[in-house]
Amino acid sequence: QKEVEQNSGPLSVPEGAIASLNCTYSDRGSQSFFWYRQYSGKSPELIMSIYSNGDKEDGRFTAQLNKASQYVSLLIRDSQPSDSATYLCAVIGDYGQNFVFGPGTRLSVLP
Amino acid sequence: DAMVIQNPRYQVTQFGKPVTLSCSQTLNHNVMYWYQQKSSQAPKLLFHYYDKDFNNEADTPDNFQSRRPNTSFCFLDIRSPGLGDAAMYLCATSKARNNEQFFGPGTRLTVL
Repeated sequence: QKEVEQNSGPLSVPEGAIASLNCTYSDRGSQSFFWYRQYSGKSPELIMSIYSNGDKEDGRFTAQLNKASQYVSLLIRDSQPSDSATYLCAVIGDYGQNFVFGPGTRLSVLP
Repeated sequence: DAMVIQNPRYQVTQFGKPVTLSCSQTLNHNVMYWYQQKSSQAPKLLFHYYDKDFNNEADTPDNFQSRRPNTSFCFLDIRSPGLGDAAMYLCATSKARNNEQFFGPGTRLTVL
């Protein structure tokens, strides 16, 4: 069974710090990886997608993928209180199978 | 702006009374998904359409049905809602199965 795991948190960081969110997955054939942000009571919002090993940067966000270790992470630099939300990792297996979401990590950025 | 729209945003129904949730998209995406999300849990995929091809998840209860009359619209029918069906229902679309998904705002369903 394909699984995606995340620390449920809450992860608390002070304002201005770097928040590091981690995700591991079990399907070695997985090809596509996504990070979503979900505010309480709202729907998930796509932040980053990553398909190749290495880093991908977009503004304050950096996604890191290591397929050999089956590990994907999201770094948030200069964290703001508005970044406080649940972050969902999603993985698509090979052959374009459906998303598998991780349970999410709740991030709290303290002013 | 291209988007995914869900109606209604809030739905209250009675135990056993059928309810239909609506999703429309202006993205012209081929795939439309329905998810159920309960508090503090990840979204759970119920089913999806690739064009007109319907794909049901193995553990989706028979109580849940879906229709996609055209590319833009998709409906979720809950034939006899139980108290355990109270949740946020999320519609998402993607260009293809292995692409990122874009979510609508969701419909919060309350069952009395």
